[in-house]
Amino acid sequence: DQQVKQNSPSLSVQEGRISILNCDYTNSMFDYFLWYKKYPAEGPTFLISISSIKDKNEDGRFTVFLNKSAKHLSLHIVPSQPGDSAVYFCAARRDDKIIFGKGTRLHILP
Amino acid sequence: DAGITQSPRHKVTETGTPVTLRCHQTENHRYMYWYRQDPGHGLRLIHYSYGVKDTDKGEVSDGYSVSRSKTEDFLLTLESATSSQTSVYFCAISDRFRSPLHFGNGTRLTVT
Repeated sequence: DQQVKQNSPSLSVQEGRISILNCDYTNSMFDYFLWYKKYPAEGPTFLISISSIKDKNEDGRFTVFLNKSAKHLSLHIVPSQPGDSAVYFCAARRDDKIIFGKGTRLHILP
Repeated sequence: DAGITQSPRHKVTETGTPVTLRCHQTENHRYMYWYRQDPGHGLRLIHYSYGVKDTDKGEVSDGYSVSRSKTEDFLLTLESATSSQTSVYFCAISDRFRSPLHFGNGTRLTVT
């Protein structure tokens, strides 16, 4: 039973445009959400997080939106850059456990 | 980068042999986690620790055990390795509740 779902395995976006990555979750007990970026042969690196008491958090080019009623969050990257090409993981925390989605591979096109 | 060292970085072993992977941190963080990454499955939590000698199961704990006798070390043991445990294993640490995880660079394990 997948609690954190990233339904798009891959996404292609033109350089300079907005990238929107989506994530859905099923467990209403999750209270903290995170996004990670991963390059091949490296560990995931933390990008941005949001607490369930907020609906938006922004850090530079990255913004995360949380819609609790829909159990949905999204990561916006503006403007998209070539170095943003990577796999992005959505994650959610309940108690001490952090559960990840399957990831979305983002391709930034020149 | 957070001070996390995973060893070995690569290992090839035969089915049925025991294998221990080590995660060492220099950050004095309370929480430590083991994940595995497989194509089509993303990152799946195996076991985690919330303090010395305090551990709990994750999503895919069958066939794995862990131990944490010191704050800085978290060991993952495959008692009898199987081909289905071929994967990339990541250790992660966190210093407090509701703070991000920081990951090591992974151990690639191949079970033949």
